Formats: sequence, C-alpha cells, structure tokens
Amino acid sequence: EPEVTQTPSHQVTQMGQEVILRCVPISNHLYFYWYRQILGQKVEFLVSFYNNEISEKSEIFDDQFSVERPDGSNFTLKIRSTKLEDSAMYFCASSVAGPFQYFGAGTRLSVL
Amino acid sequence: TQLLEQSPQFLSIQEGENLTVYCNSSSVFSSLQWYRQEPGEGPVLLVTVVTGGEVKKLKRLTFQFGDARKDSSLHITAAQPGDTGLYLCAGRETSGSRLTFGEGTQLTVNP
Repeated sequence: EPEVTQTPSHQVTQMGQEVILRCVPISNHLYFYWYRQILGQKVEFLVSFYNNEISEKSEIFDDQFSVERPDGSNFTLKIRSTKLEDSAMYFCASSVAGPFQYFGAGTRLSVL
Repeated sequence: TQLLEQSPQFLSIQEGENLTVYCNSSSVFSSLQWYRQEPGEGPVLLVTVVTGGEVKKLKRLTFQFGDARKDSSLHITAAQPGDTGLYLCAGRETSGSRLTFGEGTQLTVNP
C-alpha cells in the first residue's frame, strides 16, 4: 500500500541551527501538508501546498519556516533558526483531494 | 480557527464492551476524519465522512457525521484488546484544506 515517507525519523539540532525535514508524498497525490505535534498536545496544522505554491498557512508558520518541492517526489520543510519551542513531532501528509489526508510516521525534532 | 472537542479523553473498558467517542464543535466542517495513532507514529486514517447524517461502518467500528456537520461519533462494538490506541477526530474547515484535530481519546481495552 502506498505510504508517505519521512526522513529522518529523529533529528537532533542545536538552537539557532537550520534543519530540513524531508517527505516523499504518495506518488499520485497533489496536495501536501505539514503538521506538528508538541509532546502531550494535539496535532496542529502548519501549511498546505498545491500546484507549487503555499495555499494556506497557520499563525505558527512564520518567516522562520519555508516549504519546497525541489523535484517531482520530495516535499521539504525548512526551519531557518531553530528555537527550543520548535521541538515536536513533524508530520507530512498528502492527499489526492482535500479530505483524504494520509500522514507519514513523522520526524521527531529535538532542539537543544 | 475552528475548534473540536473530543470526549472522553481517557476510556478504559473490558474486552467485549461497547463504547462511543464523541467529537463536537460549534462550527461546521466540510468533512470529518477519524484517525488512530500509535505512540511515536503518525495518525492512520480510518474513515472520512462528508455528508451530514452520513454513517460509515468499518467492521466493528461505526462512524456518524451529525446532520449539521458540527459533530461526529465513533462507536466500537465488542471491543478487543487490539482496539487499544489513541483515536483522533479531525475536521476539514469549510474554507481551505487544513485539518483541525481534537485532543484525542486514549482507549484501553483490557482482556
């Protein structure tokens, strides 16, 4: 069964460093998303991406965050200068149409 | 941002019992998704309901979307230990495609 793949599974970084989280969405999907889940809290929407541009973003997705689809298969989330409060599980999701969003296993980001 | 309240937050029952998890909002959603999440993993999509009043069945799981598309329920019949996990509801907002998640219901089914 097709699945969303995320790498790495765990990323440890120093505060202030840049990180790039990578995702390979399901191949025929057109909509791509990033969500995050801080430990013990609910899953929160960050950004959605369609037709090579951001279609929607939340208040969390500030200038420190950016997304890119560098080629036909990858979808990345970059955090330019990480803060302690960026520590969370980051989930990539993809869908053919809006409602049916399939999630990856996540990347655990630990900012020290 | 629309809010979803999920209840109960924790539920511990014996094998064979029935249970219902509720997801409520004062806002209308264009669709409602139910996910199951295991520790350290991503949410796994169980079902999507789109039409007000819609009922979908997945083996022992029955999902219902409220007539006004503001609430949903998940009913499990004859729960089994394998049903143990975190169940999340997520609503797709009427404008845009973002999902708003509930807090989740941690279900434990004891043998």
